[in-house]
Amino acid sequence: KAGVTQTPRYLIKTRGQQVTLSCSPISGHRSVSWYQQTPGQGLQFLFEYFSETQRNKGNFPGRFSGRQFSNSRSEMNVSTLELGDSALYLCASSLLAGGPPGELFFGEGSRLTVL
Amino acid sequence: SQELEQSPQSLIVQEGKNLTINCTSSKTLYGLYWYKQKYGEGLIFLMMLQKGGEEKSHEKITAKLDEKKQQSSLHITASQPSHAGIYLCGADEGYGGSQGNLIFGKGTKLSVKP
Repeated sequence: KAGVTQTPRYLIKTRGQQVTLSCSPISGHRSVSWYQQTPGQGLQFLFEYFSETQRNKGNFPGRFSGRQFSNSRSEMNVSTLELGDSALYLCASSLLAGGPPGELFFGEGSRLTVL
Repeated sequence: SQELEQSPQSLIVQEGKNLTINCTSSKTLYGLYWYKQKYGEGLIFLMMLQKGGEEKSHEKITAKLDEKKQQSSLHITASQPSHAGIYLCGADEGYGGSQGNLIFGKGTKLSVKP
C-alpha cells in the first residue's frame, strides 16, 4: 500500500511569489491535515480537510489556503511568500472519520526555501 | 491554548544505555501521541495513550501517561543507533470531530553513540 505522497519534495521561491504543494493520502483515507515545521516554532497545525471540506484551521494568515478534491488529494497554497514561510510542510492522512484522533500517517514533506 | 513542553531538548547516549524523554502539558490531556522523526522527513507514529495511568510498549520503547493526564514519559531500554532521531509528543485538544489537529511539543533530539 502506497504511503502519503507529497510533491514537490524541494523547492526554492523568491519573496512575493506563490507556491502550491500537493499531497496524495493513503488510499481510503479521507482526512488530510497540513503542518508547518520550522526550527523556531516547531510543528504547527495549518488546516484539516475531510470530504472536500475544511474541518479545522490553525492560526495562520489568510495567505495560507488549501483545498481537497473528490479523490481526497489535497493541495495547499501560500501566496505572497515571505522569508518566514521557509519551512518543511508536512501532510498527514487519517483513516478515521470521527471520534478522537488516531494514528496520523505523514508524508516526507515539501521543503520550501524562500529567498 | 494548550502547550506541550518536552525535556530534554537533546540527548546523547551511549549505545546500550536506557533513557527517558518527558512531555508535560499545560492542560489535561485527552490523548497523547508519540511520534519519531528522522531529520527532514515525515513523522512515524509510535504510540497513543488516552487513559490516566496507561502504559504501552513496543519493542524497547515504553510510554506512560500519568494518572492526572498532564505528563507522559517515553522510555527506551538498551538504546541502539536505530533509535536516533527526533521524538515528538502530540496532544489532542479534545474539541472532537477532528482527526488531524494535534498540538506538538518542540521535540527531543536523540543521538546514540555506537
